[in-house]
Amino acid sequence: KNEVEQSPQNLTAQEGEFITINCSYSVGISALHWLQQHPGGGIVSLFMLSSGKKKHGRLIATINIQEKHSSLHITASHPRDSAVYICAVSGNDMRFGAGTRLTVKP
Amino acid sequence: GAGVSQSPSNKVTEKGKDVELRCDPISGHTALYWYRQSLGQGLEFLIYFQGNSAPDKSGLPSDRFSAERTGGSVSTLTIQRTQQEDSAVYLCASSWGGGGTDTQYFGPGTRLTVL
Repeated sequence: KNEVEQSPQNLTAQEGEFITINCSYSVGISALHWLQQHPGGGIVSLFMLSSGKKKHGRLIATINIQEKHSSLHITASHPRDSAVYICAVSGNDMRFGAGTRLTVKP
Repeated sequence: GAGVSQSPSNKVTEKGKDVELRCDPISGHTALYWYRQSLGQGLEFLIYFQGNSAPDKSGLPSDRFSAERTGGSVSTLTIQRTQQEDSAVYLCASSWGGGGTDTQYFGPGTRLTVL
């Protein structure tokens, strides 16, 4: 069993839909990161959080430390949100989830 | 200022050759990370530097892999006697502080192909 589990693996949505991607982890962490990787490979850090909730534009990330679970939400999804979203946890190193491939159709 | 840069962007080498990959972090960032992304697989942590020191080398896949960082800035990842399974995109990231508790900024990666 992977130490960082993401679901779903693939997600297709219609433009405007509310998206949720989930991440569960089984190790102790200093922080949890949500990353975005567009086709062509560039990786961008969306959020880093160790408690509570963060919001940036249409993106919201939450974490429940007791339950070792985080969610990434996208409101009013748009085709430009199509990308792979990766959950990662940091302690002495970084452990990555397998990623969620999101496709938003117009 | 400039983001994280990596060179070369692409490297094709023959099995058994040594390669050096370079990472220039954002100026002032004390922490530097190397990761690997193999085709069809997820990201894999290789090594982390705080300043010039590497507190954790446990992610390096074998003793053919080594990394150094000088002057608290540029880092090189060296792979000796390359094997076909080393083919991957090697990514570097940097952050202000270490321990994984600061936002990391990623470079564009070096795509390594071992023939």
